[in-house]
This record gives sequence, structure tokens and C-alpha cells, in this order.
Amino acid sequence: AQTVTQSQPEMSVQEAETVTLSCTYDTSENNYYLFWYKQPPSRQMILVIRQEAYKQQNATENRFSVNFQKAAKSFSLKISDSQLGDTAMYFCAFMKHDTDKLIFGTGTRLQVFP
Amino acid sequence: NAGVTQTPKFRVLKTGQSMTLLCAQDMNHEYMYWYRQDPGMGLRLIHYSVGEGTTAKGEVPDGYNVSRLKKQNFLLGLESAAPSQTSVYFCASSSGILEQYFGPGTRLTVT
Repeated sequence: AQTVTQSQPEMSVQEAETVTLSCTYDTSENNYYLFWYKQPPSRQMILVIRQEAYKQQNATENRFSVNFQKAAKSFSLKISDSQLGDTAMYFCAFMKHDTDKLIFGTGTRLQVFP
Repeated sequence: NAGVTQTPKFRVLKTGQSMTLLCAQDMNHEYMYWYRQDPGMGLRLIHYSVGEGTTAKGEVPDGYNVSRLKKQNFLLGLESAAPSQTSVYFCASSSGILEQYFGPGTRLTVT
């Protein structure tokens, strides 16, 4: 069975600085997808970024980028130029290829302070 | 375009009572899901559906039933609520092409 581990329950960062959230996963699969979801205080889950395992190039979405290390089974999220609106819970998630079921980590609470 | 909506937003039940949570999506998605979120844990899949008239069990299905009579709706039922079912429930939908769209959640308390 696949598992997703987020070892940082809480992180904080000053506005405009850069922060990296860690995620590791365990799987015997070769084809899969990895995601970072954001859950602000409103509770709405929002997809931040997605990575296909077969792609070596790290995904980027504006200020958000990932460091995907397939051999190490590591998938960290880097947020550059942090903004107050980035304050949220961030969940790492795994999806096996040919399924549509997400497996979530326990989340990291990120606080951005002025 | 409302996306994914959930009814109700909050509910308090007594042990043994029953209730149904309604999820509706207007994106013509085939796939729909119910998750629960507990403190200190990520979302866990309860049941899901890959199309109208179909349902399947997820990771934590016990104590819940679901129905997908219409493509746009996915109902989650609790026949006899227990305090262990106190949680925040999220519905999601997808076209099957990776991204799941989530509803705003329902906070359920069972006393």
C-alpha cells in the first residue's frame, strides 16, 4: 500500500521569503502522480501543483515549484516570495496511474507573517 | 458555474440518528468522491463513483452508504451515527483526468 509522509506539522515564513515543505512517499509503482493541495482557513481544497512521475523536469506554477526526486521518493514544495495569502494547510498527495484515488499526507500548517 | 457544492455546511446529530449529505457538481464530471478529514490526518476516501449508477468502497467505508442516481449528485448516508463519525466531510469530482475539484466541506458533530 502507498503511504505519504509529511514530517513538518507546522512551518512559518516571513512575507517575501522562500519556504520549502517536505513530502516523502512509499510505493512500489513506477507510474504515478504527485500533488500539492492547499487548504486555507475557508477549508476549500485547492490544487497547487501536479507532477507526473515519468517526467524528470520539475513542475512549476508561478511562485510554486517542486523538487521531485524519484529515486529518493521525495516531493518537496518550494514557495517563493511568500505572501500572506499563502497561509494555509498544505497536503501532499499520491495517485497511482490508472486509478483516480488520492492518498493524502497529514498536512503541514504554513503561517506567513508580515 | 458553481463547481462542487455540499449541503448542509454544518450539522449536529445525536448518536443513532441518521442523515444524508448531498454533493452536487455542475461540471459534467463522471467521477465523484467522498472524503473525511480528521484532526492530524489527511483526507481519507470513504466511497467513490466512476459514473451514474456506480459506487465503490474507499479506504474507510464502514458506517456509510452512498448513492449516485444522477450524474451530478452523490449522496453520503449515515444510517446510525456514532461519535467516531464526527469529522469534516468533503466531496470532490473529476473528469478522470487527474485533477479533483473539492466542495467546501460539511462539518458534522455526533454527540
